[in-house]
Amino acid sequence: SQQGEEDPQALSIQEGENATMNCSYKTSINNLQWYRQNSGRGLVHLILIRSNEREKHSGRLRVTLDTSKKSSSLLITASRAADTASYFCATQRGGGGKLIFGQGTELSVKP
Amino acid sequence: GAVVSQHPSWVICKSGTSVKIECRSLDFQATTMFWYRQFPKQSLMLMATSNEGSKATYEQGVEKDKFLINHASLTLSTLTVTSAHPEDSSFYICSARDPQGRAGVGSNTEAFFGQGTRLTVV
Repeated sequence: SQQGEEDPQALSIQEGENATMNCSYKTSINNLQWYRQNSGRGLVHLILIRSNEREKHSGRLRVTLDTSKKSSSLLITASRAADTASYFCATQRGGGGKLIFGQGTELSVKP
Repeated sequence: GAVVSQHPSWVICKSGTSVKIECRSLDFQATTMFWYRQFPKQSLMLMATSNEGSKATYEQGVEKDKFLINHASLTLSTLTVTSAHPEDSSFYICSARDPQGRAGVGSNTEAFFGQGTRLTVV
């Protein structure tokens, strides 16, 4: 399968709590990206972490990458109801732009 | 920031007919675009890579005669689902990369996605 694994598949939390999503992949990569998708809509790019980076921050987002374990995590701090969406990791191997997506985590943040 | 426009956003067609979906990069030139398919509650599966001025590269298991891709200009790729059947009903999404990284986001590796097309074949 070209797909990586993400867990959990679904996550339900209260507003203000932190949400952590994990992603594992199978091959060597150039970079790993996280995307958000609201129901029935296109994808929005959240953050990119390169293979030589271990951690990256953007606002309330924190991404880690462990290339030895072929895994990444996305942490959303102080979650809001508006963060409710599906989150996908995607890996990129070469420079051509082709992305291989993980299975996704469906996040529900309850007000 | 870079914008990729996909049209239509939804379409309903009869079984046996063909449907064309357009993907346009609005403020940058994209020599390469990508077409994905997404079933409900599932991830995106890459179908093919659309190359401007040459044949598309299809992923294993994707029928090239079923899903015709044309990338006739640097800003437009089209996906035509031929002789559509109910099992072709899905969400189709395109993406494009700005190879020059001049679309205001500072990166030439970020992919910009269209808003998707919901195809329903009845």
